[in-house]
Amino acid sequence: QEQLVESGGGVVQPGTSLRLSCVASGFSISDYAMHWVRQAPGKGLEWVAVMSYDGSDTHYAVSVKGRFTISRDTSKNTLFLQMNSLRVEDTAVYFCARDVRGGWFDPWGQGTLVTVSS
Amino acid sequence: QSALTQPASVSGSPGQSITISCTGTSRDVGGYNYVSWYQQHPGKAPKLIIFDVTNRPSGVSNRFSASKSANTASLTISGLQAEDEADYYCCSYTSTTTLFGTGTKVTVL
Repeated sequence: QEQLVESGGGVVQPGTSLRLSCVASGFSISDYAMHWVRQAPGKGLEWVAVMSYDGSDTHYAVSVKGRFTISRDTSKNTLFLQMNSLRVEDTAVYFCARDVRGGWFDPWGQGTLVTVSS
Repeated sequence: QSALTQPASVSGSPGQSITISCTGTSRDVGGYNYVSWYQQHPGKAPKLIIFDVTNRPSGVSNRFSASKSANTASLTISGLQAEDEADYYCCSYTSTTTLFGTGTKVTVL
């Protein structure tokens, strides 16, 4: 069964860092582009970042560019999101999702909550 | 990177049909056939219900259908059922960015 499981969320202070993990099972992340998407409490979905299937290309939303870094460890079939200089407005549930082809996101993980608060 | 525009809410009675619009620009919705739709129940992850503008994944009810005209995509739910009450998001993909819609809350009266 193809599945994604995120972890690493928590409560942190503004200006600090956090690294999220997303472990894939049932498929290889080396075969697909992988995305991070977030959802602030009570708000809509916001795309955050993508890594291409071969790991050679990454792109970020304007709101996180320069602060967040997407990466992966193919030996562990795991996707990461390194989040630096966190802001209150980064508070959200963070989902990872597989891009089957052309923005066809399936499956999604269950999400991990990041709360940035002083 | 502005979100695609959706109505905040749409409602209908069981058995009725409703349509949700998703308006973008020629640089996103209108420029590519990579529009997808997601259903999200409270506290759950989004679920893919439409990809490539009009296609349904295996296992998704044929009560869901979609289309696109110029810069606006649309999702129609026919024969509305109680289980369809959820939030719905459109999504437009390009090779360098992805935009989600503002989201529509569907209420079954």
